[in-house]
Amino acid sequence: GAGVSQSPSNKVTEKGKDVELRCDPISGHTALYWYRQSLGQGLEFLIYFQGNSAPDKSGLPSDRFSAERTGGSVSTLTIQRTQQEDSAVYLCASVLSGTPQETQYFGPGTRLLVL
Amino acid sequence: GNSVTQMEGPVTLSEEAFLTINCTYTATGYPSLFWYVQYPGEGLQLLLKATKADDKGSNKGFEATYRKETTSFHLEKGSVQVSDSAVYFCALRNFGNEKLTFGTGTRLTIIP
Repeated sequence: GAGVSQSPSNKVTEKGKDVELRCDPISGHTALYWYRQSLGQGLEFLIYFQGNSAPDKSGLPSDRFSAERTGGSVSTLTIQRTQQEDSAVYLCASVLSGTPQETQYFGPGTRLLVL
Repeated sequence: GNSVTQMEGPVTLSEEAFLTINCTYTATGYPSLFWYVQYPGEGLQLLLKATKADDKGSNKGFEATYRKETTSFHLEKGSVQVSDSAVYFCALRNFGNEKLTFGTGTRLTIIP
C-alpha cells in the first residue's frame, strides 16, 4: 500500500476485555515496529519484527501483551484483560530493511480507551 | 543504554521568530539521529535526519546538525510559521538496537 495503515482507528473497551490491533506495513518493508504513545509517558517502544520473528520484545509491558506477524506482512498486537493504564495511542511503523539509517514510516495509530 | 533528552515544552513563539529546540543524546557507537513531527490530528512524520557526525539534515526550512562532540542534534528554523505548530520529537536509532528511542516531545505553538 501507499503507507502504513492501522485498524481500528479508535477502540473503546471495558476493563478486562481483550483487544486486537492490526497493522498493515508498507508493501515490501521487512521490519515492523510497535510503539505506544501515552500521556505522560511519551513514545515507548514495544516490540520489533524482522520478517516474522521478533528479535526484540523488550518493551512489552507485561505478559498481557503479545504480538505476531504473519507472511512477513500484517501484524497484530493483542492485549488481554485490558486495564485502564493500557489506554494510549498504539503506533505501528515499518522500514524497508531495518538498517539504522533508514526512515521508519509510521501509521496513523489506534487510539485505545479502556473504561 | 540509549537515551534522548529534549527541551521541555510547551514553546510559544510569534510568527517569523527564530526557533531552537534542543536535543542531546546518550548512545554507544554511532547512532542515526532523527526529528519527527506530529501535526494536530495526524500521525508521526519524519522531518529530517542525519546518519553521521557533522551531517546536516534539512527539510521545510528546518535544520539540525549532528554534533558528536557535544552529542547534540538541535532543531532550528529561521522564521517559523503558524503551520509549524506541532509536537516535535527527537529520536535516535543505533546499530544492533533497531528501535527508535524518542525524546519526550516538544509542543510548539506559533501565534500570528
